[in-house]
Amino acid sequence: QSVLTQPPSVSGTPGQSVSISCSGSSSNIGLNTVNWYLQLPGTAPKLLIFSVNQRPSGVPDRFSGSKSGTSASLAISGLQSDDEADYYCATWDDNLDAAVFGGGTKLTVL
Amino acid sequence: QVHLVQSGTEVKTPGSSVKVSCKASGDDFSSHVISWMRQAPGQGLEYMGGILPGLSAEKSAQNFQGRVSFTRDDSTGTAHMLLSGLTSEDTAVYYCARGLQGVAAAFDQWGQGTLVTVST
Repeated sequence: QSVLTQPPSVSGTPGQSVSISCSGSSSNIGLNTVNWYLQLPGTAPKLLIFSVNQRPSGVPDRFSGSKSGTSASLAISGLQSDDEADYYCATWDDNLDAAVFGGGTKLTVL
Repeated sequence: QVHLVQSGTEVKTPGSSVKVSCKASGDDFSSHVISWMRQAPGQGLEYMGGILPGLSAEKSAQNFQGRVSFTRDDSTGTAHMLLSGLTSEDTAVYYCARGLQGVAAAFDQWGQGTLVTVST
């Protein structure tokens, strides 16, 4: 049972747009910034979005993030087959005094 | 740009301890928090804690308090995670990661992962 709640799976066809939600509470997303990670099978996670909507160097602008209240979202436009991966949201929880992750969302490109 | 390389696969028996190392190549290790996460088979990511630069103060997540410790040697660019009292539930891939300065829970460089299997 993860502190942050994500849908287990989402899917889309090439070229489409999809969104992944991340729901938290007043002690985590409500107070702190949100980050997103992408994980391909058998590899380490990769930072995709930080500080809600900032992209590290090399991440295409097809990926964008947003936050409202105690929820956040990752949007992916122009879906590509290479986008098939697990996506995780993360933030700091002030009550737990620890980083917390969502349970992960598997993106399937049909 | 820093590259983190972790030690190899470990097989441990219940009740024992495991020490995983994380060595940085390249610049900019000593000024960053080094955090540790783990991922059980087929499961999501779990934060374990980390170690700050400078005075090397540690922070561990509640689930691991009393059972995990973190060290670092900035002169060699190496960090270590020691987990004791292993049970089968500790079977997982363990990752070290560099914290992005000023952004909580943002880890911009990750090690390749170390598989720890706990079994009789």
